[in-house]
Amino acid sequence: EADIYQTPRYLVIGTGKKITLECSQTMGHDKMYWYQQDPGMELHLIHYSYGVNSTEKGDLSSESTVSRIRTEHFPLTLESARPSHTSQYLCASSEFREQFFGPGTRLTVL
Amino acid sequence: DQQVKQNSPSLSVQEGRISILNCDYTNSMFDYFLWYKKYPAEGPTFLISISSIKDKNEDGRFTVFLNKSAKHLSLHIVPSQPGDSAVYFCAARFTGTASKLTFGTGTRLQVTL
Repeated sequence: EADIYQTPRYLVIGTGKKITLECSQTMGHDKMYWYQQDPGMELHLIHYSYGVNSTEKGDLSSESTVSRIRTEHFPLTLESARPSHTSQYLCASSEFREQFFGPGTRLTVL
Repeated sequence: DQQVKQNSPSLSVQEGRISILNCDYTNSMFDYFLWYKKYPAEGPTFLISISSIKDKNEDGRFTVFLNKSAKHLSLHIVPSQPGDSAVYFCAARFTGTASKLTFGTGTRLQVTL
């Protein structure tokens, strides 16, 4: 079954740690996205990719970085986590107009 | 400047009745609109969409209406069911922008028994 996966689902980590949030999709979609969402707020696009070796920054400035070495894989990395990074991170992929989302990672930085 | 606005943060509707969720946008360059449903601690699920060249799209209990002159769209759910209780996000897409979406802040729908 085609789907989009994110791991971990929940992560609690101390300040200064390096973290990588994983996102994989089995639908063969070229376009992938990372959003950040806080409770009661809209989803903010922080990174997107048109395809392999293509990454762009989104509308919301973020200290995270992404890579796209394989079509199905779009990991997000924070080199040094801070409490301000506490949020829900959502990964999505798209072929045409609709975007399909993974379950999200709830990140808490202490 | 928020380009997609959902001015009602919450809505409570009785089971069996119609739920109407509203969304306004400011940019006339949006060409496609989508509604997503989101449960806590889960990712948004795509519900229904509409192209800017149409004024209505229906899928089962869900109907989306688009009024381009008013820059307004609405999602109708009828009949509403308890399982519809969730946060609903309106999203809009610019023409030819890698399908980038701009989201509203969401409306929390509570369907009561």
